[in-house]
Amino acid sequence: GDSVTQMEGPVTLSEEAFLTINCTYTATGYPSLFWYVQYPGEGLQLLLKATKADDKGSNKGFEATYRKETTSFHLEKGSVQVSDSAVYFCALDKTNFGNEKLTFGTGTRLTIIP
Amino acid sequence: EAQVTQNPRYLITVTGKKLTVTCSQNMNHEYMSWYRQDPGLGLRQIYYSMNVEVTDKGDVPEGYKVSRKEKRNFPLILESPSPNQTSLYFCASSPVQGRNSPLHFGNGTRLTVT
Repeated sequence: GDSVTQMEGPVTLSEEAFLTINCTYTATGYPSLFWYVQYPGEGLQLLLKATKADDKGSNKGFEATYRKETTSFHLEKGSVQVSDSAVYFCALDKTNFGNEKLTFGTGTRLTIIP
Repeated sequence: EAQVTQNPRYLITVTGKKLTVTCSQNMNHEYMSWYRQDPGLGLRQIYYSMNVEVTDKGDVPEGYKVSRKEKRNFPLILESPSPNQTSLYFCASSPVQGRNSPLHFGNGTRLTVT
């Protein structure tokens, strides 16, 4: 079945450091790929998405490129801030008979220290 | 404000005592879904609904029931809760059944069953 594997956390970085959170997926067909972010005490929010190979999603300084050849969708940010501290989830979306089901990775907790 | 509202935010109960977690969205979304979040497992889908009176099982439906009598509401029912249902629960909705429609999540309900 479909699955998403993302790097184990927690990840701790200093402010202004470069961030990479790895995500790889296994799926048949052509899924859409997403990064969701969960701030403390809140639900998940869509951070960015890519719907086909070579698409780059971007938002709030974060970027991820849909790489079909390596089945990857790594999240990057050039200079992180304390406010980026959160849990990040990689997910894929394959609609099956109308079920808009997301398959999530296990999440990566990111902590940014000043 | 467009939102998905879950209640309660926190709930502690005992084994076997029926409970309901409510979910309501004010965005006129057709699609709604319930997920549970557990450490090391990410989010897993419990049930989903494509429209009023249309519901179906997700990946982990055992021990749960849902109903969709109105478009805006999608309650999650635990008829006889057990300790293995201790988890963080999220309700989510999206506007259409097609791919690439981002899910809007509630802020979660943390359930403890003793």
